Amino acid sequence: GEDVEQSLFLSVREGDSSVINCTYTDSSSTYLYWYKQEPGAGLQLLTYIFSNMDMKQDQRLTVLLNKKDKHLSLRIADTQTGDSAIYFCAEYLILTGGGNKLTFGTGTQLKVEL
Amino acid sequence: DGGITQSPKYLFRKEGQNVTLSCEQNLNHDAMYWYRQDPGQGLRLIYYSQIVNDFQKGDIAEGYSVSREKKESFPLTVTSAQKNPTAFYLCASSMGPPGDGDPISYNEQFFGPGTRLTVL
Repeated sequence: GEDVEQSLFLSVREGDSSVINCTYTDSSSTYLYWYKQEPGAGLQLLTYIFSNMDMKQDQRLTVLLNKKDKHLSLRIADTQTGDSAIYFCAEYLILTGGGNKLTFGTGTQLKVEL
Repeated sequence: DGGITQSPKYLFRKEGQNVTLSCEQNLNHDAMYWYRQDPGQGLRLIYYSQIVNDFQKGDIAEGYSVSREKKESFPLTVTSAQKNPTAFYLCASSMGPPGDGDPISYNEQFFGPGTRLTVL
């Protein structure tokens, strides 16, 4: 199966940490991505993690991967109003006919309040 | 500037009409993709193309058609057979299948700004 699930909404106060969670079902994923989508725009790659890693830190972003539970999370430290957006996790899959694709989660709408 | 362009940003059509959405990239990428985005459903893959003159169906290809006659262009036609065409359509491209280099570089998908199609 290729379901990737996320909670739909998250609201935090400016300056707090945000944690966005994602669960996936395909254990053959080689790496997982986090994308950010601002209103009315396309998706922008934020960060990624290889499936053989447990954690990756990139400035204010920390990605945690629990491969046993197929759970991925994105932590944003010191959340700012500019972080308000929809965040998608995606898993990279090799296709049986060749090529690859990303299976995206449902997206989490992050709202940052003053 | 290198990137992906989609036009128009907003498109309105009457029910029963076919409509073609444009996607152009000047990144010299081999692979291109079309996704559909609906509220609460994330992105779903419609069609993808790994190389010129070749394309494959994604998860929700019914009612759509594509062509890939040029490397930089991957237009999507929404036909009258598509039962719920109103949606936000996103085009993406990537360098291509993994090679000997950094797999992230090959697989990172770059997205266009999207086209919002409304069928009246």
